[in-house]
Amino acid sequence: SQQGEEDPQALSIQEGENATMNCSYKTSINNLQWYRQNSGRGLVHLILIRSNEREKHSGRLRVTLDTSKKSSSLLITASRAADTASYFCAPYGGSQGNLIFGKGTKLSVKP
Amino acid sequence: DAGVIQSPRHEVTEMGQEVTLRCKPISGHNSLFWYRQTMMRGLELLIYFNNNVPIDDSGMPEDRFSAKMPNASFSTLKIQPSEPRDSAVYFCASSWTGQSTEAFFGQGTRLTVV
Repeated sequence: SQQGEEDPQALSIQEGENATMNCSYKTSINNLQWYRQNSGRGLVHLILIRSNEREKHSGRLRVTLDTSKKSSSLLITASRAADTASYFCAPYGGSQGNLIFGKGTKLSVKP
Repeated sequence: DAGVIQSPRHEVTEMGQEVTLRCKPISGHNSLFWYRQTMMRGLELLIYFNNNVPIDDSGMPEDRFSAKMPNASFSTLKIQPSEPRDSAVYFCASSWTGQSTEAFFGQGTRLTVV
């Protein structure tokens, strides 16, 4: 099992700007998942990218994966105040099946 | 499906009391996770079940914590005796450990031990 490390820890932007968050991990993966957590709520799955994929889009979300650098990035375009939340990555190795989360990136989008 | 259901949503108990948190995973899911979240330590994985069998309990803090999954539709996390440092939000999540592995989280139980 392994844990992703999100960077930066906190990010503050204006509405309409793009937000980029990064994730690094240590060992090989089957896939990498990104989740969002609104204050006081459970995590919500946003997007999954498989190890043989390099980029994936879902609405205003764009995820990239570089397995050679063991890193991923999540880009939120044209951010909205409603995007204010903490974002977590979860590298999934598959061998044990457990999901371990890092400390997350706390995104604040100011109207 | 109603999603992952946790109960109670809030629990306030006195130090030394036994606390039992409950979780009903999504029907058909074969993996279940218990997490604890605090400001200081973030989101910690306590225990992971696959097909009702505990696979990884290395995150369970100490012997005061125990978890069971008697069948595919129910799991409990018990703390006995509880201590103030156990105060946290406890989340249960479930997934199908196939190609997707997307985890679905419950709303959490906010535990306060006074």
